[in-house]
Amino acid sequence: EAQVTQNPRYLITVTGKKLTVTCSQNMNHEYMSWYRQDPGLGLRQIYYSMNVEVTDKGDVPEGYKVSRKEKRNFPLILESPSPNQTSLYFCASRPGQGNEKLFFGSGTQLSVL
Amino acid sequence: AQTVTQSQPEMSVQEAETVTLSCTYDTSENNYYLFWYKQPPSRQMILVIRQEAYKQQNATENRFSVNFQKAAKSFSLKISDSQLGDTAMYFCAFMKLNAGNMLTFGGGTRLMVKP
Repeated sequence: EAQVTQNPRYLITVTGKKLTVTCSQNMNHEYMSWYRQDPGLGLRQIYYSMNVEVTDKGDVPEGYKVSRKEKRNFPLILESPSPNQTSLYFCASRPGQGNEKLFFGSGTQLSVL
Repeated sequence: AQTVTQSQPEMSVQEAETVTLSCTYDTSENNYYLFWYKQPPSRQMILVIRQEAYKQQNATENRFSVNFQKAAKSFSLKISDSQLGDTAMYFCAFMKLNAGNMLTFGGGTRLMVKP
């Protein structure tokens, strides 16, 4: 089944403890990205990648890191999480230029205490 | 930079009736895509409908249709014959051509369909 898989679905952590949210797609998509969703603000893009080893900042990149060492994986790293990073996170992918349909993961609800 | 505004944070409609969700956007681009996404309580993001800016004809998908006014930069979603399963958060989104995965979302409208 074609899908974008995010893990974990729920995560509670404490300030300063490094964490990684994984994202994997099995559709050989070129484009992948991370969004955070906050009430009243909709979804905002954190980082995106247009191919292996190619990443770029979105609208709200501060406090986050990403890597794209393989085409299928695009992990989101919080080196030192803070309470203002408490949010719902989505990974998404799409085939590439000329195909604008996005496939979303099921979301990760992160709480930083 | 693009902005997308949804001016109705919450709406409600009776089952079987019609409801229209508003969306306006601001851009200097001429070619772009517009989308409506549905997010039910499961949190899943579901594509409802999309519109290419170069197409004058309004997109339709079964009970869902849009009113795309390019000059006014308006992109409203009409849901006909509302069903209880339409209860969800709805997001309007904008993507310019050749923009990677750069989607700009509105703040969302929470729709409640009442029996």
